[in-house]
Amino acid sequence: AQSVAQPEDQVNVAEGNPLTVKCTYSVSGNPYLFWYVQYPNRGLQFLLKYITGDNLVKGSYGFEAEFNKSQTSFHLKKPSALVSDSALYFCAVRDPQNSGYSTLTFGKGTMLLVSP
Amino acid sequence: EAQVTQNPRYLITVTGKKLTVTCSQNMNHEYMSWYRQDPGLGLRQIYYSMNVEVTDKGDVPEGYKVSRKEKRNFPLILESPSPNQTSLYFCASSYPTSPYNEQFFGPGTRLTVL
Repeated sequence: AQSVAQPEDQVNVAEGNPLTVKCTYSVSGNPYLFWYVQYPNRGLQFLLKYITGDNLVKGSYGFEAEFNKSQTSFHLKKPSALVSDSALYFCAVRDPQNSGYSTLTFGKGTMLLVSP
Repeated sequence: EAQVTQNPRYLITVTGKKLTVTCSQNMNHEYMSWYRQDPGLGLRQIYYSMNVEVTDKGDVPEGYKVSRKEKRNFPLILESPSPNQTSLYFCASSYPTSPYNEQFFGPGTRLTVL
């Protein structure tokens, strides 16, 4: 079975500093990995995804994520945080070899708080 | 505007009173799905549909029903709601032709069952 772990419930960072939101996954095949963001009282919005190829993936709003197969990680990063980045971030995984495109498994979410 | 809409956005009901949460998308997506979001548990899939008249259970289907009679609509039905179904519900849609397509989410429906 596929699973996702986001080890931090909350990440605090000062505006202008780099940020990292951690995600590790477990699948039996090659993973498809996604990051979504949820702003207050809103639905989830897609940020970026890793399917294959370059391990560094760039996405919306200046975010990027690095796929590390040996560490089974897909950490979300941004070089300089903004107060407006404060939101709830979800990592998700799909194992196309075992679950096709039916099930997308989400982590529990990490709240990012960026202070002015 | 391409979007997924849900109605109602907020609902307070009582145990046992049947309710339906509607979901509609205008992107001609074949795949649609329902999730519930609970604190500390993230999003868990309830049901999904690969196409019209094709539905299947997700991780937490107990107490829910769905139907897919039209491509654009995917209503979630709670025949006899219970307090443990108090949650934030999201509908999502995507192209199913490949498992690497991202999903588009609705704004959510906050349900309280008393």
